[in-house]
Amino acid sequence: QKEVEQDPGPLSVPEGAIVSLNCTYSNSAFQYFMWYRQYSRKGPELLMYTYSSGNKEDGRFTAQVDKSSKYISLFIRDSQPSDSATYLCAVRTTGANSKLTFGKGITLSVRP
Amino acid sequence: NAGVTQTPKFQVLKTGQSMTLQCAQDMNHEYMSWYRQDPGMGLRLIHYSVGAGITDQGEVPNGYNVSRSTTEDFPLRLLSAAPSQTSVYFCASKGGLEQFFGPGTRLTVL
Repeated sequence: QKEVEQDPGPLSVPEGAIVSLNCTYSNSAFQYFMWYRQYSRKGPELLMYTYSSGNKEDGRFTAQVDKSSKYISLFIRDSQPSDSATYLCAVRTTGANSKLTFGKGITLSVRP
Repeated sequence: NAGVTQTPKFQVLKTGQSMTLQCAQDMNHEYMSWYRQDPGMGLRLIHYSVGAGITDQGEVPNGYNVSRSTTEDFPLRLLSAAPSQTSVYFCASKGGLEQFFGPGTRLTVL
C-alpha cells in the first residue's frame, strides 16, 4: 500500500463551484499534512499545512485532517480560473529531517 | 533572494551520456533534496542532504549521484543516461516546515 493515495483526476468544474480534493494515508506517525499547488511548467508551492487533526482556513481554501480515518481534504470555495493547477497532498512526521511523502497529484481545471 | 535555482531548464541527452543538473539556494537551508516527477507517478525523492558533506538515498536513487560540498549547492549527476530517466527534475530546499522548489529541469533521454 502506498503511504499516500490521492484521488485520481483530472477534475473539471465551472467557475464558482466548490471543489473537494482528497487524500488518504496509511502511517499514523504522520503529523504534518500539506497541500502544494503546482502551475503548469512550474515547481510546486506550499499552499497550506495542518498539524495533527482539525481544520485550517485561508481565504477561499480550507484544509481538513481526520486522523481517525487517515483522511486529508482541501476545499476550495468560489473556485476561479486562476485556481487551475495540479494539487498535491504531502505528509511528514515530526522529525526535523523527516522526508515529505507526496500523493500523485490531481489536475484541476476551472472553466470560466 | 533568488530562492532555489536550477540549470539547465531543458536538456536532451543520448543514451549513455552523463550530465550534471545544477541546483543552488540562497536561503541558508541545511536540508536539500532532488525529486523527479513523472505523469501518474507524482513526486518521487531521489536523494537528499541534511547538510554539507551529508547525503542519503531517497525512493529512487539508482542511476543518480549527489554530493554536497557547500550549503548552497546540491548537484545531481546522471552517470549513464537511460530513456527511463526522461522526466522533470525538481530540486528543493527546506526551511522550517516549508519546502521550496526550484523551477525544474526537463530532461529527455533518447
